[in-house]
Amino acid sequence: GAGVSQTPSNKVTEKGKYVELRCDPISGHTALYWYRQSLGQGPEFLIYFQGTGAADDSGLPNDRFFAVRPEGSVSTLKIQRTERGDSAVYLCASSFRGVGNTGELFFGEGSRLTVL
Amino acid sequence: AQSVAQPEDQVNVAEGNPLTVKCTYSVSGNPYLFWYVQYPNRGLQFLLKYITGDNLVKGSYGFEAEFNKSQTSFHLKKPSALVSDSALYFCAVGTGGFKTIFGAGTRLFVKA
Repeated sequence: GAGVSQTPSNKVTEKGKYVELRCDPISGHTALYWYRQSLGQGPEFLIYFQGTGAADDSGLPNDRFFAVRPEGSVSTLKIQRTERGDSAVYLCASSFRGVGNTGELFFGEGSRLTVL
Repeated sequence: AQSVAQPEDQVNVAEGNPLTVKCTYSVSGNPYLFWYVQYPNRGLQFLLKYITGDNLVKGSYGFEAEFNKSQTSFHLKKPSALVSDSALYFCAVGTGGFKTIFGAGTRLFVKA
């Protein structure tokens, strides 16, 4: 499809398990963002990639969270030793131009993570 | 630090009436301002943006927003609301860096 694709759409896991969430951005978009949206809240910035490198990872809550984008396209958000507080919808967005931040973001439908 | 405030959790309006969803921001430097809409079980969709120029910007689905620098506001408006406009609306701000910061959202309910 032409939009941002996120898999899985839903993930239920147990506390302490490892989780990977995948994002396939719009073709040609160099900028890729991960956000986390908890119930009743706005999207919370996690990390931004420009190409292959993480240009800003200041939003990652702790070292259990890590993201990669090895070839400058698909990105994977990795969460180790999941906790119940990690339950949220994880949103991926891409943009044609990240520098200057004037471009709008194109969002996927999100991956809903539930940690039991 | 950048921040965005949406003072209303919910806005109720009758179909056909004008609507306003409020947003104020705090940034250092020139702001880049955005509105996004989220329909149930759908991803966020871009509505409109202000970067520079005319303070009144027009966007998708008949929405517009007015940038007011002195009041640091960027309120979303529509002259005549539709029931189908009922959704969650997010104001967002960027400052030329890499982050776009979102407000907590305002739920718009349009009654037929």
